[in-house]
Amino acid sequence: GQNIDQPTEMTATEGAIVQINCTYQTSGFNGLFWYQQHAGEAPTFLSYNVLDGLEEKGRFSSFLSRSKGYSYLLLKELQMKDSASYLCAVRDSNYQLIWGAGTKLIIKP
Amino acid sequence: GAVVSQHPSWVICKSGTSVKIECRSLDFQATTMFWYRQFPKQSLMLMATSNEGSKATYEQGVEKDKFLINHASLTLSTLTVTSAHPEDSSFYICSARVPDRTTYEQYFGPGTRLTVT
Repeated sequence: GQNIDQPTEMTATEGAIVQINCTYQTSGFNGLFWYQQHAGEAPTFLSYNVLDGLEEKGRFSSFLSRSKGYSYLLLKELQMKDSASYLCAVRDSNYQLIWGAGTKLIIKP
Repeated sequence: GAVVSQHPSWVICKSGTSVKIECRSLDFQATTMFWYRQFPKQSLMLMATSNEGSKATYEQGVEKDKFLINHASLTLSTLTVTSAHPEDSSFYICSARVPDRTTYEQYFGPGTRLTVT
């Protein structure tokens, strides 16, 4: 079966750095997405990786290792507004998005 | 960027009635739209894939006669929850796939919160 694992909840301090991991086992691979979802709102796109390596976009970076079925989202200089759920999603061979359960990130002052 | 709207943003209805939710792509044509349901503190659950001009493809366990999907144009898909029950209360989110982008990224609507009393 298809499976995506990410931690349920993480806590970090304002101004610090946090890494959210995602491991996946899917039928084929056509890219990995990270989305941010604030409570009661729809997800918003953060990043997309299809090749191995690090993609940097401002305070957020995303890394992919296809051979290991592994990705992480790195958030730097954490701000209170970064408190949200972070969803990892993998597009399989049918171009279907398989979603992780999300990681709730709590930022403390 | 691509914008997807949903209407209504929230709705309260009585048990047994039907509710229609609209999903529109405002600045692009979407041949494919997706309908998700999300219960509190849970991840997105794909309900169905809606293709313009053809029947929707429903995920296993989703009742196609209860959740009617119509994708009549390249910018509009509708989800009708028929004979709603309290257990249908949820956050319904649509998304549209941009066909001309390398990533085939999905853009999400703001969601519709349905409460069935």
